[in-house]
Amino acid sequence: QVQLVQSGAEVKKPGSSVKVSCKVSGGTFTNYAFSWVRQAPGQGLEWLGAIIPKLGTANYAQKFQDRVTIIADESTRTVYMDLSSLRSEDTGVYYCSRGSYGTGMDYWGQGTLVTVSS
Amino acid sequence: DIQMTQSPSSLSASVGDRVTITCRASQTISSYLNWYQHTPGKAPKLLIFAASRLQGGVPSRFSGSGFGTDFTLTISSLQPEDFATYYCQQSSSASWTFGQGTKVEIK
Repeated sequence: QVQLVQSGAEVKKPGSSVKVSCKVSGGTFTNYAFSWVRQAPGQGLEWLGAIIPKLGTANYAQKFQDRVTIIADESTRTVYMDLSSLRSEDTGVYYCSRGSYGTGMDYWGQGTLVTVSS
Repeated sequence: DIQMTQSPSSLSASVGDRVTITCRASQTISSYLNWYQHTPGKAPKLLIFAASRLQGGVPSRFSGSGFGTDFTLTISSLQPEDFATYYCQQSSSASWTFGQGTKVEIK
Protein backbone atom coordinates (compact mmCIF):
# COMPACT_ATOMS: atom_id res chain seq x y z
CA GLN A 1 0.00 0.00 0.00
CA VAL A 2 1.45 3.32 -1.07
CA GLN A 3 1.60 6.09 1.52
CA LEU A 4 3.09 9.57 1.41
CA VAL A 5 3.63 11.13 4.84
CA GLN A 6 4.65 14.77 5.04
CA SER A 7 6.41 16.73 7.77
CA GLY A 8 4.49 18.99 10.11
CA ALA A 9 3.27 22.57 9.92
CA GLU A 10 5.78 25.41 9.69
CA VAL A 11 5.70 29.08 10.61
CA LYS A 12 8.33 31.19 8.85
CA LYS A 13 9.39 34.82 8.64
CA PRO A 14 9.35 36.70 5.31
CA GLY A 15 12.66 36.29 3.49
CA SER A 16 13.48 32.95 5.11
CA SER A 17 13.31 29.43 3.64
CA VAL A 18 11.20 26.37 4.40
CA LYS A 19 11.98 22.70 3.79
CA VAL A 20 9.14 20.19 3.69
CA SER A 21 9.67 16.43 3.53
CA CYS A 22 7.58 13.62 2.08
CA LYS A 23 8.38 10.03 3.09
CA VAL A 24 7.17 7.38 0.66
CA SER A 25 6.30 3.84 1.70
CA GLY A 26 5.13 1.04 -0.56
CA GLY A 27 5.43 0.86 -4.32
CA THR A 28 8.37 1.67 -6.52
CA PHE A 29 10.23 4.83 -5.56
CA THR A 30 12.66 5.47 -8.37
CA ASN A 31 10.41 5.39 -11.45
CA TYR A 32 7.66 7.81 -10.51
CA ALA A 33 7.50 11.59 -10.64
CA PHE A 34 7.07 13.10 -7.18
CA SER A 35 5.50 16.53 -7.39
CA TRP A 36 4.85 19.40 -5.02
CA VAL A 37 1.51 21.16 -5.35
CA ARG A 38 0.26 24.03 -3.22
CA GLN A 39 -3.01 25.75 -2.44
CA ALA A 40 -2.95 29.27 -1.06
CA PRO A 41 -6.02 30.46 0.89
CA GLY A 42 -8.92 31.05 -1.51
CA GLN A 43 -6.81 30.03 -4.51
CA GLY A 44 -6.58 26.98 -6.77
CA LEU A 45 -4.04 24.21 -7.02
CA GLU A 46 -0.60 25.21 -8.24
CA TRP A 47 2.15 22.82 -9.40
CA LEU A 48 5.63 23.87 -8.19
CA GLY A 49 7.79 21.12 -9.65
CA ALA A 50 8.63 17.43 -9.68
CA ILE A 51 11.50 14.98 -9.57
CA ILE A 52 11.90 11.43 -10.89
CA PRO A 53 14.41 9.84 -8.46
CA LYS A 54 15.78 7.52 -11.16
CA LEU A 55 16.74 10.54 -13.28
CA GLY A 56 17.83 12.73 -10.38
CA THR A 57 17.02 16.08 -11.96
CA ALA A 58 13.91 18.13 -11.20
CA ASN A 59 11.60 20.18 -13.39
CA TYR A 60 10.05 23.37 -12.07
CA ALA A 61 7.20 25.69 -12.94
CA GLN A 62 8.51 28.88 -14.51
CA LYS A 63 6.98 30.95 -11.70
CA PHE A 64 9.02 29.16 -9.01
CA GLN A 65 12.17 28.33 -10.98
CA ASP A 66 14.37 30.75 -9.01
CA ARG A 67 13.10 29.86 -5.54
CA VAL A 68 12.29 26.15 -5.32
CA THR A 69 14.56 23.11 -5.08
CA ILE A 70 13.28 19.53 -5.06
CA ILE A 71 15.54 16.61 -4.20
CA ALA A 72 15.01 12.89 -3.61
CA ASP A 73 16.90 10.63 -1.21
CA GLU A 74 16.62 7.05 -2.44
CA SER A 75 18.19 5.59 0.71
CA THR A 76 15.35 6.93 2.89
CA ARG A 77 12.66 7.08 0.17
CA THR A 78 12.09 10.73 1.02
CA VAL A 79 11.45 13.71 -1.25
CA TYR A 80 12.19 17.25 -0.09
CA MET A 81 10.95 20.64 -1.26
CA ASP A 82 12.88 23.76 -0.31
CA LEU A 83 11.24 27.15 -1.01
CA SER A 84 13.35 30.26 -0.41
CA SER A 85 12.79 34.02 -0.16
CA LEU A 86 9.40 33.41 1.42
CA ARG A 87 6.70 36.07 1.27
CA SER A 88 3.21 36.22 2.72
CA GLU A 89 1.71 34.98 -0.59
CA ASP A 90 3.54 31.67 -0.05
CA THR A 91 1.24 30.88 2.87
CA GLY A 92 -0.78 27.80 2.08
CA VAL A 93 -1.02 24.03 2.18
CA TYR A 94 1.74 22.18 0.35
CA TYR A 95 1.11 18.65 -0.92
CA CYS A 96 3.46 16.04 -2.29
CA SER A 97 2.12 13.55 -4.80
CA ARG A 98 3.19 10.54 -6.82
CA GLY A 99 2.47 10.46 -10.50
CA SER A 100 3.62 9.96 -14.05
CA TYR A 101 3.15 11.62 -17.41
CA GLY A 102 0.57 9.11 -18.53
CA THR A 103 -1.36 8.23 -15.37
CA GLY A 104 -1.86 11.42 -13.37
CA MET A 105 -1.04 11.99 -9.69
CA ASP A 106 -2.61 9.00 -7.98
CA TYR A 107 -1.28 9.19 -4.40
CA TRP A 108 -1.02 12.29 -2.24
CA GLY A 109 0.43 13.28 1.10
CA GLN A 110 -1.77 14.72 3.83
CA GLY A 111 -0.60 18.29 3.21
CA THR A 112 1.66 20.61 5.20
CA LEU A 113 0.51 24.08 6.25
CA VAL A 114 3.21 26.71 5.75
CA THR A 115 2.48 30.10 7.27
CA VAL A 116 4.65 33.08 6.36
CA SER A 117 4.20 35.92 8.81
CA SER A 118 6.30 38.54 10.49
CA ASP B 1 4.40 26.83 -19.43
CA ILE B 2 1.22 25.50 -21.03
CA GLN B 3 -1.87 27.41 -19.83
CA MET B 4 -5.02 25.52 -18.90
CA THR B 5 -8.35 27.36 -18.91
CA GLN B 6 -11.47 25.86 -17.33
CA SER B 7 -15.05 26.96 -17.70
CA PRO B 8 -17.16 27.78 -15.92
CA SER B 9 -15.32 28.98 -12.81
CA SER B 10 -18.31 27.93 -10.73
CA LEU B 11 -21.74 26.44 -11.20
CA SER B 12 -24.81 25.67 -9.14
CA ALA B 13 -26.56 22.36 -9.68
CA SER B 14 -29.01 20.03 -8.01
CA VAL B 15 -28.65 16.40 -7.01
CA GLY B 16 -29.36 14.28 -10.09
CA ASP B 17 -28.28 16.95 -12.58
CA ARG B 18 -25.87 16.28 -15.43
CA VAL B 19 -22.82 18.53 -15.09
CA THR B 20 -20.21 19.33 -17.73
CA ILE B 21 -16.92 21.14 -17.16
CA THR B 22 -14.60 22.09 -20.00
CA CYS B 23 -10.84 22.58 -20.08
CA ARG B 24 -8.81 24.12 -22.89
CA ALA B 25 -5.04 23.94 -23.31
CA SER B 26 -3.00 26.77 -24.82
CA GLN B 27 -1.30 24.23 -27.11
CA THR B 28 -1.91 20.65 -28.08
CA ILE B 29 -1.35 18.13 -25.28
CA SER B 30 -2.53 14.94 -26.98
CA SER B 31 -4.32 12.92 -24.24
CA TYR B 32 -2.07 14.03 -21.36
CA LEU B 33 -4.98 15.47 -19.40
CA ASN B 34 -6.09 14.50 -15.91
CA TRP B 35 -9.05 15.54 -13.72
CA TYR B 36 -9.07 15.89 -9.93
CA GLN B 37 -11.71 16.48 -7.26
CA HIS B 38 -10.74 18.61 -4.28
CA THR B 39 -12.71 19.17 -1.10
CA PRO B 40 -11.61 21.44 1.77
CA GLY B 41 -9.25 19.81 4.25
CA LYS B 42 -8.54 16.81 2.05
CA ALA B 43 -5.88 15.96 -0.52
CA PRO B 44 -6.93 16.15 -4.18
CA LYS B 45 -8.33 12.94 -5.63
CA LEU B 46 -7.53 11.68 -9.13
CA LEU B 47 -10.74 10.95 -11.06
CA ILE B 48 -9.73 10.63 -14.72
CA PHE B 49 -6.31 10.19 -16.33
CA ALA B 50 -5.22 10.20 -19.96
CA ALA B 51 -8.31 12.28 -20.83
CA SER B 52 -10.84 9.46 -20.60
CA ARG B 53 -9.61 6.66 -18.35
CA LEU B 54 -11.42 6.22 -15.04
CA GLN B 55 -9.14 5.87 -12.02
CA GLY B 56 -9.76 2.72 -9.97
CA GLY B 57 -12.49 3.11 -7.37
CA VAL B 58 -14.04 6.20 -8.98
CA PRO B 59 -17.79 5.93 -9.67
CA SER B 60 -18.80 5.41 -13.30
CA ARG B 61 -20.94 8.58 -13.27
CA PHE B 62 -17.67 10.42 -13.89
CA SER B 63 -16.38 10.41 -17.46
CA GLY B 64 -13.87 12.37 -19.51
CA SER B 65 -13.36 13.04 -23.18
CA GLY B 66 -11.27 15.12 -25.56
CA PHE B 67 -7.95 15.22 -27.38
CA GLY B 68 -5.49 17.88 -28.42
CA THR B 69 -6.62 21.15 -26.82
CA ASP B 70 -10.26 20.66 -25.75
CA PHE B 71 -11.42 18.38 -22.97
CA THR B 72 -14.58 17.71 -20.96
CA LEU B 73 -15.41 16.22 -17.58
CA THR B 74 -18.99 15.01 -17.20
CA ILE B 75 -20.83 13.92 -14.07
CA SER B 76 -23.90 12.09 -15.34
CA SER B 77 -26.00 12.35 -12.19
CA LEU B 78 -24.68 14.65 -9.47
CA GLN B 79 -24.58 13.14 -5.98
CA PRO B 80 -24.32 14.98 -2.64
CA GLU B 81 -20.69 13.90 -2.21
CA ASP B 82 -19.77 15.45 -5.59
CA PHE B 83 -20.04 19.05 -4.42
CA ALA B 84 -16.39 20.07 -4.61
CA THR B 85 -13.89 21.90 -6.79
CA TYR B 86 -12.67 20.18 -9.94
CA TYR B 87 -9.34 20.78 -11.65
CA CYS B 88 -7.87 19.72 -14.95
CA GLN B 89 -4.11 19.22 -15.17
CA GLN B 90 -1.81 18.63 -18.13
CA SER B 91 1.22 16.35 -18.03
CA SER B 92 2.28 16.76 -21.65
CA SER B 93 5.32 18.95 -21.05
CA ALA B 94 8.13 18.75 -18.49
CA SER B 95 6.36 21.51 -16.54
CA TRP B 96 2.86 20.46 -15.47
CA THR B 97 0.01 22.93 -14.95
CA PHE B 98 -3.49 22.99 -13.46
CA GLY B 99 -6.56 24.81 -14.63
CA GLN B 100 -7.94 27.45 -12.27
CA GLY B 101 -10.67 25.14 -10.97
CA THR B 102 -14.45 24.83 -11.22
CA LYS B 103 -16.43 24.98 -7.99
CA VAL B 104 -19.61 22.90 -8.07
CA GLU B 105 -22.13 24.20 -5.52
CA ILE B 106 -25.56 23.11 -4.39
CA LYS B 107 -28.44 24.96 -6.04
